[in-house]
This record gives sequence, structure tokens and C-alpha cells, in this order.
Amino acid sequence: ETGVTQTPRHLVMGMTNKKSLKCEQHLGHNAMYWYKQSAKKPLELMFVYNFKEQTENNSVPSRFSPECPNSSHLFLHLHTLQPEDSALYLCASSQDGAGADEKLFFGSGTQLSVL
Amino acid sequence: KQEVTQIPAALSVPEGENLVLNCSFTDSAIYNLQWFRQDPGKGLTSLLLIQSSQREQTSGRLNASLDKSSGRSTLYIAASQPGDSATYLCAVRRGGGADGLTFGKGTHLIIQP
Repeated sequence: ETGVTQTPRHLVMGMTNKKSLKCEQHLGHNAMYWYKQSAKKPLELMFVYNFKEQTENNSVPSRFSPECPNSSHLFLHLHTLQPEDSALYLCASSQDGAGADEKLFFGSGTQLSVL
Repeated sequence: KQEVTQIPAALSVPEGENLVLNCSFTDSAIYNLQWFRQDPGKGLTSLLLIQSSQREQTSGRLNASLDKSSGRSTLYIAASQPGDSATYLCAVRRGGGADGLTFGKGTHLIIQP
């Protein structure tokens, strides 16, 4: 248990559905991240939030909409997804990004399948 | 744009062997480098973090080294065990602040009992 909890663990959705992924961290961190892991590709950074403010959007399509209501919670709202969006979506957190010895802690991920 | 390459992509060795996993990166201006372990269908577990000013870090049977100027890092696993079977990922961080990591594709390691 890393202190980062993601729900649901698995999600199957149609292309016209709207769903949300949830991430909660219990580590007192101030920075949170969304990553996408597709088969045979490196993990791709999607979004970064620091002290609830979005600091990075890595050219992610608008069908993915992040929300960070507070430093402990991060959501990824999904709508009109494509089959190629099927992947493992990982949430991570870190203290505040300022320290050179600062580690990222990851959740177990949500395995998303888009039909 | 930073690119991270891990060699080999897959490795299968008998239990008890010592082994080395390799990671290279194209931009040497990194803040730190982190090695992770990922079990199938699971998230990532941080193994070791090396700051850009450091040369190596050790944890138990694991030793990671960093040669920033040449853009290389190695993860040494001593006396391998079947429980070490997993995918090992190398990632570099470009700067301070809440900055994301750039990952390699990983090395899929199997330790044969």
C-alpha cells in the first residue's frame, strides 16, 4: 500500500459514455499527476497539479478533463473516448516537487477498456 | 525532447545470478533518476532515487549508479530471486518543481526457480 488509492480498478465503457476516475492520496502531498500506460509504450505524462493548480497539460485531447478540488483528490473525467484510449491510467503524488530527493508514489491504476 | 531507452527489453536468468539492467537518456540535464518496479496489472513501486549530484544509491540487494555526463544509469541486482520477477522502469526528471517524469519502456525480468 503506497498511500495512493485509485478507483475503480477496472472500467469498461462505450464511446458515448461519461465516466470519472478517482485518485486519493493519504500522504500529505501537494503535487498530483495522471499518467497513461499503453501496451508497448512508455508511461506518458498527462497532467500535473501542484497545490491544486494545473501546471502541465501534455497535449492531452479535450475528451480527458482533469479536476483537482484539493491537494488530496484528483479526478479524470472521461467523455466520448475512442478505443485507442484503452490503457492503464495511473495516478501519482509527490510532496511538492521542490526537492531533488523527492520520489513519486503511484496508485495501482485503473484499467480502462473502451468498446 | 528527452528520450529514455532501456536495454534489454526482456531478460530471463536462473535464480541466484547477479544481473545488470541498463538505462540511457538523451539529455544529461536531469534533476534526478528513479528506478521503479511494476508487477503485472499493478502500479509502480519506487526502488531507488539518485539525485543528479550523486553517483549511486543502494538498498538491500539493489544498487543503482548514475553517470550523468554520459547519460547512463545501471540497476544491479545481486543474488536474484524468483520474487524479483517484474518489469523494471527507469525514469528521469528534468527539473525541480512539480515536474513529471520521462520513462523508458522497461525491462521485463523473469527469474527462473
